[in-house]
Amino acid sequence: AQSVTQPDIHITVSEGASLELRCNYSYGATPYLFWYVQSPGQGLQLLLKYFSGDTLVQGIKGFEAEFKRSQSSFNLRKPSVHWSDAAEYFCAVGSYNTDKLIFGTGTRLQVFP
Amino acid sequence: GAGVSQSPSNKVTEKGKDVELRCDPISGHTALYWYRQSLGQGLEFLIYFQGNSAPDKSGLPSDRFSAERTGGSVSTLTIQRTQQEDSAVYLCASSGVQGAPYGYTFGSGTRLTVV
Repeated sequence: AQSVTQPDIHITVSEGASLELRCNYSYGATPYLFWYVQSPGQGLQLLLKYFSGDTLVQGIKGFEAEFKRSQSSFNLRKPSVHWSDAAEYFCAVGSYNTDKLIFGTGTRLQVFP
Repeated sequence: GAGVSQSPSNKVTEKGKDVELRCDPISGHTALYWYRQSLGQGLEFLIYFQGNSAPDKSGLPSDRFSAERTGGSVSTLTIQRTQQEDSAVYLCASSGVQGAPYGYTFGSGTRLTVV
């Protein structure tokens, strides 16, 4: 079955520390992969996406993600977290032949000063 | 419009009442999606419209839920005889001619509270 797993429900980091949010997927076709961020009371904003080509993709707000086919992973990283990055992060997967994205359950990021 | 617009942003209703939630997608976007986000949960797919095709209703949790899309633009999600478990944030998204695989644009959501 197609699925997306975000193993970490809640992560706490100090401002300035590095960050990695995990995402694993199970998908029969070649996946298209996405990371969205949701700030409190807001909708979801697209951070970055991977379709093909270079497996390291850059996104907005200084985020990047790396697609590792052998590990079925698409982890999100940021070298230095800012307090404004506190939010909920969702990984999603789709494909060229699908009409819907499948979302993970999200990881809530808390940033301490 | 410039983005996906949802209204109302918040709705409190009494158990048993009907509610209507509205979504105005980005102009020209042919695909429109409704998702539900319950506290501590991920996004639950509800329904999907693509152009003039029959909608994909496979995610609607019960027959109390229905949605329509008029003129290929605005969509209304209706919940009849609301229950407390319907309390959630209802998110609408749209995608352009390239389709869903290239990502959605989400609205800010409607927070529904059933008391």
